[in-house]
Amino acid sequence: DTAVSQTPKYLVTQMGNDKSIKCEQNLGHDTMYWYKQDSKKFLKIMFSYNNKELIINETVPNRFSPKSPDKAHLNLHINSLELGDSAVYFCASSQLGGEGTQYFGPGTRLLVL
Amino acid sequence: GQQLNQSPQSMFIQEGEDVSMNCTSSSIFNTWLWYKQEPGEGPVLLIALYKAGELTSNGRLTAQFGITRKDSFLNISASIPSDVGIYFCADGSGNTGKLIFGQGTTLQVKP
Repeated sequence: DTAVSQTPKYLVTQMGNDKSIKCEQNLGHDTMYWYKQDSKKFLKIMFSYNNKELIINETVPNRFSPKSPDKAHLNLHINSLELGDSAVYFCASSQLGGEGTQYFGPGTRLLVL
Repeated sequence: GQQLNQSPQSMFIQEGEDVSMNCTSSSIFNTWLWYKQEPGEGPVLLIALYKAGELTSNGRLTAQFGITRKDSFLNISASIPSDVGIYFCADGSGNTGKLIFGQGTTLQVKP
């Protein structure tokens, strides 16, 4: 009964490839997020969706494209992967349009070679 | 832009010791949040603070929202090995849900 789940947990790929990370929450929340944690453990928001609508889009390269097929899912597709994309990507969700507590998934560790 | 400075960057303490860490901001906050991230996991909310001067406890953890609304501290009393992890302060003041995190304090506890 995992609240926020992500797949895969680990992803190793070559530069230039396209990859997707999936996120699902079973908490009934209406808002979902993607965060990036770099090698120095710094956490930064990338995107948020509220009821499938894009709310926050930080200065993220347009190679990153989030997609929300329904309010329980928020996937992240990355085109033309670069070495600097190596990081841990966390999905999170919250209720109340972003004012509620955010619950984080376990993270996807992406390594671009 | 807004900056959050968290200190210390890391701590290595003996089991049973008390721990204190703090966070300062360049601007006024309406909400301070403290998260803990254990190795290999995502951050988990420990304490949320909503009013200047507010002091809130969660077990052995105590956090305070500074009067100036530009700082907060987190104390852990009688540390135990499972307190190991990275502690993040975060600004949750926006109504879009955007969290701005500090750099984190890495805590290691020696049994």
